[in-house]
Amino acid sequence: DTAVSQTPKYLVTQMGNDKSIKCEQNLGHDTMYWYKQDSKKFLKIMFSYNNKELIINETVPNRFSPKSPDKAHLNLHINSLELGDSAVYFCASSPRQTNTEAFFGQGTRLTVV
Amino acid sequence: AQSVTQLDSQVPVFEEAPVELRCNYSSSVSVYLFWYVQYPNQGLQLLLKYLSGSTLVESINGFEAEFNKSQTSFHLRKPSVHISDTAEYFCAVSEGTGRRALTFGSGTRLQVQP
Repeated sequence: DTAVSQTPKYLVTQMGNDKSIKCEQNLGHDTMYWYKQDSKKFLKIMFSYNNKELIINETVPNRFSPKSPDKAHLNLHINSLELGDSAVYFCASSPRQTNTEAFFGQGTRLTVV
Repeated sequence: AQSVTQLDSQVPVFEEAPVELRCNYSSSVSVYLFWYVQYPNQGLQLLLKYLSGSTLVESINGFEAEFNKSQTSFHLRKPSVHISDTAEYFCAVSEGTGRRALTFGSGTRLQVQP
């Protein structure tokens, strides 16, 4: 009965590889997000989708491409991975765009070696 | 643009002592305010939120926070902490218009010592 689930939980890969992180929510929410948490624990929004439509696209390298096949799923694909991409990536969802909290997944710890 | 400042990166405190974690925000429009807690190697869990109404909000495990519009603050307090409260605490703000995603502070590490 997990609300927001991400896979994988851990991902270790070499520089230059392409990888994907998957996210699914079973809460019936309209809005989904990707956040990045760096080594100093700072959390920053990367992308936000509302009903499969991209509504927030922060200053993120275009090697990062989100895809939302339906409103319950938001995947993150990363091309040509770099050392600086190492971080914890959190997926989240909320019932609507504003006036509400976000529900977070457990995170995916990405380590690029 | 909205921003959140958590002045204290770490707060060490003894068990059963009171604690206050400070949060100040900057925004030109109405805001919604949140505190999240992150235990080691876990995701973020909502602790409490202010959307409207009473400026004092409480969580089920004894934390409370007060929205102070004039001081643009949303400090988190607990009268008596437990070892199990040791975690990272994040203050977050969402604006009523515009960007609409949560903007987080840099976090405060609460370390409860026996």
